[in-house]
Amino acid sequence: DTEVTQTPKHLVMGMTNKKSLKCEQHMGHRAMYWYKQKAKKPPELMFVYSYEKLSINESVPSRFSPECPNSSLLNLHLHALQPEDSALYLCASSQVGGRGYGNQPQHFGDGTRLSIL
Amino acid sequence: DAKTTQPPSMDCAEGRAANLPCNHSTISGNEYVYWYRQIHSQGPQYIIHGLKNNETNEMASLIITEDRKSSTLILPHATLRDTAVYYCIGSGGGADGLTFGKGTHLIIQP
Repeated sequence: DTEVTQTPKHLVMGMTNKKSLKCEQHMGHRAMYWYKQKAKKPPELMFVYSYEKLSINESVPSRFSPECPNSSLLNLHLHALQPEDSALYLCASSQVGGRGYGNQPQHFGDGTRLSIL
Repeated sequence: DAKTTQPPSMDCAEGRAANLPCNHSTISGNEYVYWYRQIHSQGPQYIIHGLKNNETNEMASLIITEDRKSSTLILPHATLRDTAVYYCIGSGGGADGLTFGKGTHLIIQP
């Protein structure tokens, strides 16, 4: 069992739909992350939130819109996605720590498997 | 994050020790070596991390060379459930995100 909960586990949507992925953690972590993982590839970082503020955006298209409403929740809003956006979307959390204080492993959820029709 | 190099795949017999190597010759002085694994259809799972000294926890041991250019993850008594992709990552920690390489697909044979 994971301490990071992602819902839904599976999502099928059309290219014109709007949907949201949700992630929740209750470990008191103040950093939260979204990763995208295509089949048979490693995870790729999309966004990082630190203290509920967006700190890293890895040049992700605007059809992906992250939101961090509070320290326990992270959302990823989806709109007008393309078939190539079909992937496993992973959420993770960690303590923030600081540069040079690398004692902050990330805890991952089991992801949302997204299929775009 | 430091660039890491791992063999694409390895086999190990059940009950034996699995030794997974990682080269990270460009790792900087303040970057830790992290190991994660990903079992099919699950999210990555944190295993262990270290800076200079060898580390051990309930899952594995991490041996880091003195020059910090390489490390070895040791699973002391591999089981079938240890079959997974293992990722070695160099990272300064904080809230920087992780850069995953291709990892090593470890297959435990019965």
